[in-house]
Amino acid sequence: AQSVTQLGSHVSVSEGALVLLRCNYSSSVPPYLFWYVQYPNQGLQLLLKYTSAATLVKGINGFEAEFKKSETSFHLTKPSAHMSDAAEYFCAVSSPQGGGNKLTFGTGTQLKVEL
Amino acid sequence: NAGVTQTPKFRVLKTGQSMTLLCAQDMNHEYMYWYRQDPGMGLRLIHYSVGEGTTAKGEVPDGYNVSRLKKQNFLLGLESAAPSQTSVYFCASRIMGGNSPLHFGNGTRLTVT
Repeated sequence: AQSVTQLGSHVSVSEGALVLLRCNYSSSVPPYLFWYVQYPNQGLQLLLKYTSAATLVKGINGFEAEFKKSETSFHLTKPSAHMSDAAEYFCAVSSPQGGGNKLTFGTGTQLKVEL
Repeated sequence: NAGVTQTPKFRVLKTGQSMTLLCAQDMNHEYMYWYRQDPGMGLRLIHYSVGEGTTAKGEVPDGYNVSRLKKQNFLLGLESAAPSQTSVYFCASRIMGGNSPLHFGNGTRLTVT
């Protein structure tokens, strides 16, 4: 079985501050990991994905995430927050095993960016 | 390039009514999925399909049925709607392979009164 846990359902940062959104995963085999972003009244968009090629993954809009096997974590960071980063962020895990390669999502973290 | 298109965008049903949500993708993807999104619960998988003519249950399948008669379409049916099915429904598709990302539609907001 696979699962993800996102610590903090709401995170608030000042514009220009570091963004850190936490994700821990559980998987019986080396997983594929994803971060998605959802803006109001829209579907989810892919930010970045980890597929074992490199532990530090760079995504769109200046976001990056680091895969740490020893900590079973895949935290999302951005050095300097922008107002346009305000959205909901979802971490997801997919296992190479099993039919359909289903993605299991975390419960999401709402990011608020303040002036 | 439309990607994943969901219809309708909004719908209000009375308890006991039925309806079908349509998902269409023009990317020739093999895999298609239906998720529901509820506050504080993230996205939960209802049903999915790994190819034309095949469907399988996800995490929360009760009260829903699906069909994939054509590769590009994935239908989600509610036979007898209940207030607990008030939610936002998302369809997604992807190519084969566990590391391929999902492509999402913009969602259908369903309210059951």
